[in-house]
Amino acid sequence: GENVGLHLPTLSVQEGDNSIINCAYSNSASDYFIWYKQESGKGPQFIIDIRSNMDKRQGQRVTVLLNKTVKHLSLQIAATQPGDSAVYFCAENAYNTDKLIFGTGTRLQVFP
Amino acid sequence: ETGVTQTPRHLVMGMTNKKSLKCEQHLGHNAMYWYKQSAKKPLELMFVYNFKEQTENNSVPSRFSPECPNSSHLFLHLHTLQPEDSALYLCASSQDEDHSTDTQYFGPGTRLTVL
Repeated sequence: GENVGLHLPTLSVQEGDNSIINCAYSNSASDYFIWYKQESGKGPQFIIDIRSNMDKRQGQRVTVLLNKTVKHLSLQIAATQPGDSAVYFCAENAYNTDKLIFGTGTRLQVFP
Repeated sequence: ETGVTQTPRHLVMGMTNKKSLKCEQHLGHNAMYWYKQSAKKPLELMFVYNFKEQTENNSVPSRFSPECPNSSHLFLHLHTLQPEDSALYLCASSQDEDHSTDTQYFGPGTRLTVL
C-alpha cells in the first residue's frame, strides 16, 4: 500500500551544522515530492519540491535528494539556524491520484 | 504570509454547538482543501473543491459539512462534534486540483477543542 514515513521523529543539531532529514516512500508511481516546514502555531510552509525525473534540486540553503531505486527522499539544510527549528514533512503525489500523501513529520531542534 | 487566511485561529465548542470555520485565499487558485492534523498522525485530507465543485470527500462524518461559495472562500460547518474531533484544521489551496504537481499552500489553521 502507499506509505510515506520518516526515519527519525526528532533530530537535534548544533547551530551552524548541516541537517539531514530523511523520508521513505513505498509508491513507485509517485512522481512529485514536496518538503514542508511547520513552525509552532503555523500551517505547513512549502520549502522545496522535486520531480521524479530529477535526483537533486537545490534552493537557498536547502537541497533535496531523490533516490528512486530505494524510494528515499532527503532534505539537507546547510548551516542550520535557530529559525530552522520546526517540524518537517515530506509529501508525495502519485500521478494517478492528484492527492498529496504526507508523512508524520520530523522535529528539528537547533541548539546553540 | 502564504496568501491563505483562516478564522478563527482558536475555537472551543461544546458537543451540541454549531460553529463554522472560514478560509480565504488571495492567490487566484481554483482548488481548495480541508485537512485535519492530529497529534502524531499524518495530515488527513478531508475535502477537496475544484472550481467550486466538491471533488473529494474522504469518508468524513456528516457532522462536518463543507461549503465553497466561490473559488476564494471555503467554509467548514461543524455540528454535534465529538471530543476526538479536537485537532488543527488546515485549509490549503492550489492552482488546479487536476495538475498533480501544483503546490498546495496552507493557511495557519484553526485549533479546535471540543469539550
